[in-house]
Amino acid sequence: GQNIDQPTEMTATEGAIVQINCTYQTSGFNGLFWYQQHAGEAPTFLSYNVLDGLEEKGRFSSFLSRSKGYSYLLLKELQMKDSASYLCAGMDSNYQLIWGAGTKLIIKP
Amino acid sequence: GAVVSQHPSWVICKSGTSVKIECRSLDFQATTMFWYRQFPKQSLMLMATSNEGSKATYEQGVEKDKFLINHASLTLSTLTVTSAHPEDSSFYICSARDGGGRETQYFGPGTRLLVL
Repeated sequence: GQNIDQPTEMTATEGAIVQINCTYQTSGFNGLFWYQQHAGEAPTFLSYNVLDGLEEKGRFSSFLSRSKGYSYLLLKELQMKDSASYLCAGMDSNYQLIWGAGTKLIIKP
Repeated sequence: GAVVSQHPSWVICKSGTSVKIECRSLDFQATTMFWYRQFPKQSLMLMATSNEGSKATYEQGVEKDKFLINHASLTLSTLTVTSAHPEDSSFYICSARDGGGRETQYFGPGTRLLVL
């Protein structure tokens, strides 16, 4: 079956770094997405990885290892506004997104 | 770029009425649009995949006669919740995928439906 696993909740301190892990099992693979969703709002696109390695985009970076079925989202210099849920989604061979349940990130001052 | 709009953002209606939600891709053509539902503190649930000019593909457990989807153009898809009941109250979100080869889904802002 297809499955996306990510931690339910994480807590970090403002200004620090946090890494949110995601493991995936999909029927075929056409990439791994990360989205940010603030409470009461729709998700917004953060990153897309289809090749192994690290993609850096400002304070956010995303990593993919296809052989391990593993990805992580790295957030640096955390700000209070980064408090949100982070959704990991794998794209299968039919280009359908398989969604994780999301990781709620709590930032403390 | 890649902006998706949804209208209305809020709907309050009486039980038994039908509600229509529009999803538009504003600056790109979307051959495929998706409709999701999200209950409070729960993950996104895909309801259906809509391809322009063809019938929508519904996920298991989603009643196609209750949730009518029309994708008549490359920039517009509509979801009609027919004979809405209180249990249909939820956050409905559409997303659109660029038909130009990019596979990223871009989300609309969502529609909150409250059925009294």
